[in-house]
Amino acid sequence: DTGVSQDPRHKITKRGQNVTFRCDPISEHNRLYWYRQTLGQGPEFLTYFQNEAQLEKSRLLSDRFSAERPKGSFSTLEIQRTEQGDSAMYLCASSLGDRGNSPLHFGNGTRLTVT
Amino acid sequence: AQSVTQLDSHVSVSEGTPVLLRCNYSSSYSPSLFWYVQHPNKGLQLLLKYTSAATLVKGINGFEAEFKKSETSFHLTKPSAHMSDAAEYFCVVSDGGASKLTFGTGTRLQVTL
Repeated sequence: DTGVSQDPRHKITKRGQNVTFRCDPISEHNRLYWYRQTLGQGPEFLTYFQNEAQLEKSRLLSDRFSAERPKGSFSTLEIQRTEQGDSAMYLCASSLGDRGNSPLHFGNGTRLTVT
Repeated sequence: AQSVTQLDSHVSVSEGTPVLLRCNYSSSYSPSLFWYVQHPNKGLQLLLKYTSAATLVKGINGFEAEFKKSETSFHLTKPSAHMSDAAEYFCVVSDGGASKLTFGTGTRLQVTL
């Protein structure tokens, strides 16, 4: 069990550019989640996958955001035409099981700064 | 809808004294409740979880929490604080069948000598 890994750890980009983040979950975990955390706040749910199917998306996830999990393993989160308000820590988590009480295992996050 | 309220944004204790971090929840169903801890530049780590078994839940590093349905509370306690406990603590609720966790705004625990 190597834990959830996220890449990159930090990303600085100019407004209007596109960025893509990667998440590798714990290998046997079927669920994968994306959260966003801004300074002084708790993480906010963005979207989640069960295997390769994206089952829920938050209203926070605007049309500029897209997430994929093509083979039910790693996932990518892409933000198009970034805005300064997108600056945040993007957290990925994974869990095993199909019930909401399975604990989530989080990665260390990708910190995005949009200048 | 589910939500959690962490009643203190910042708590400061002396090393060796008890810790109390307060959390109230709101849920339409029988909730699952969690406490997570976040150290600086580290990922979120699960401290403990309540899932309708024993109401007193023991977690890692000497932390425990008690589920009180009548008070809709899930406060986190530790008998004796250690310097290494200084971190951000999040109370989290899930509706069980729901797919996602709802986090509180966090309580920053400061431990002084």
